[in-house]
Amino acid sequence: EIVLTQSPGTLSLSPGERVTLSCRASQSVSSSYLVWYQQKPGQAPRLLIYGASSRATAIPDRFSGSGSGADFTLTISRLEPEDFAVYYCQQYGTSPYTFGQGTKLEIK
Amino acid sequence: EVQLLESGGGLVQPGGSLRLSCAASGFSFSNYAMNWVRQAPGKGLEWVAAISDSSFSTYYADSAKGRITISRDNSRNTLYLQINSLRVEDTAEYYCAKGKEPTGSYYYVMDVWGQGTTVTVSS
Repeated sequence: EIVLTQSPGTLSLSPGERVTLSCRASQSVSSSYLVWYQQKPGQAPRLLIYGASSRATAIPDRFSGSGSGADFTLTISRLEPEDFAVYYCQQYGTSPYTFGQGTKLEIK
Repeated sequence: EVQLLESGGGLVQPGGSLRLSCAASGFSFSNYAMNWVRQAPGKGLEWVAAISDSSFSTYYADSAKGRITISRDNSRNTLYLQINSLRVEDTAEYYCAKGKEPTGSYYYVMDVWGQGTTVTVSS
């Protein structure tokens, strides 16, 4: 199975800052079938980015995804208070459709 | 409005069985792939299984093979997850999630999620 490793595990940042989250795969993710989800405490995950770089419906343009092959990133250009959450990447190119372990963004 | 409502969770003894349900509304259920994802307390997300719109194709996490079966009833707009030989490590919140598009590259991308049903395996 494809193992996704997200880094860092936790980030402490302030609103207004720019942040880049990393997701590295143990092998190439076919056709950039990579998504990013956001999860807040007590809530179901929310789709942010699919196909490595396409924003989902109603996702603000401060969120952007990039990458290909085995290296992908999620960038939030300017953190808003509501962005502090846990972010997961997932590949859906090869079954099993594995998740990364998550990156937690916390307020500094 | 697209809605997914999971049910069937509860407290079960190790070795027992459980069938989770996910009632779908607000979209043409029979045209979309569906997934199950679980989350153990305080842990990350774990994809469990997926099923195509017609049930022709099913996919499973390695941890699920042999004990877990995903199925659907398109006439009832309902998705199921049968879990047998339950283990303590199956304790988790179980979410169902809808595929993003009826065909194409984003077929299994999960764009709408339910609120989850809690399974606790304990003696």
